[in-house]
Amino acid sequence: DAGVTQSPTHLIKTRGQQVTLRCSPKSGHDTVSWYQQALGQGPQFIFQYYEEEERQRGNFPDRFSGHQFPNYSSELNVNALLLGDSALYLCASSLEGLAGSETQYFGPGTRLLVL
Amino acid sequence: GNSVTQMEGPVTLSEEAFLTINCTYTATGYPSLFWYVQYPGEGLQLLLKATKADDKGSNKGFEATYRKETTSFHLEKGSVQVSDSAVYFCALISSGSARQLTFGSGTQLTVLP
Repeated sequence: DAGVTQSPTHLIKTRGQQVTLRCSPKSGHDTVSWYQQALGQGPQFIFQYYEEEERQRGNFPDRFSGHQFPNYSSELNVNALLLGDSALYLCASSLEGLAGSETQYFGPGTRLLVL
Repeated sequence: GNSVTQMEGPVTLSEEAFLTINCTYTATGYPSLFWYVQYPGEGLQLLLKATKADDKGSNKGFEATYRKETTSFHLEKGSVQVSDSAVYFCALISSGSARQLTFGSGTQLTVLP
């Protein structure tokens, strides 16, 4: 049973650049959520995608955008990178509508460093 | 809004010691509660969960009981091992939300042999 996968594992960018992170959900899952985890802190919710639409959004600027594809995989895009965007970006998947659907399973994350 | 408060770390214990990591929460409705664990350089792994009051979640010797009257979900283990060294996060999903997890700040646990 394939778990949540993310790519790339590490990424280095410079200020002002744009980045795209990718996530494939756990087999059978249809909902993808993205979180940002700064060093030494708990993850912060960015947004969630379900049925190829952004369903809910946390307190992140419009520079953060996303997409969900028909196969349920997802991308996170960040434009005009700032030094403060350096963090571990976590993708989590879940299955809507069934008992236990509140449980989210996380991937290994993409570590982004902005110089 | 929703919030989770965890005891501050780091916590350092000797092998076979008893572990308690305190977690309290504020939430609307009847949240589901979770403990996740993060090993160095890795993502989050679900450790255990409880979805209603008085439920006890358990896994790998860890336990936590959903206490609605004290809005708490403290993590316990009777005898820790060196391999339990990690960061532990308490989290909740509020009922009626679109499954947005709210996390505590994490507690670093180090177990010494």
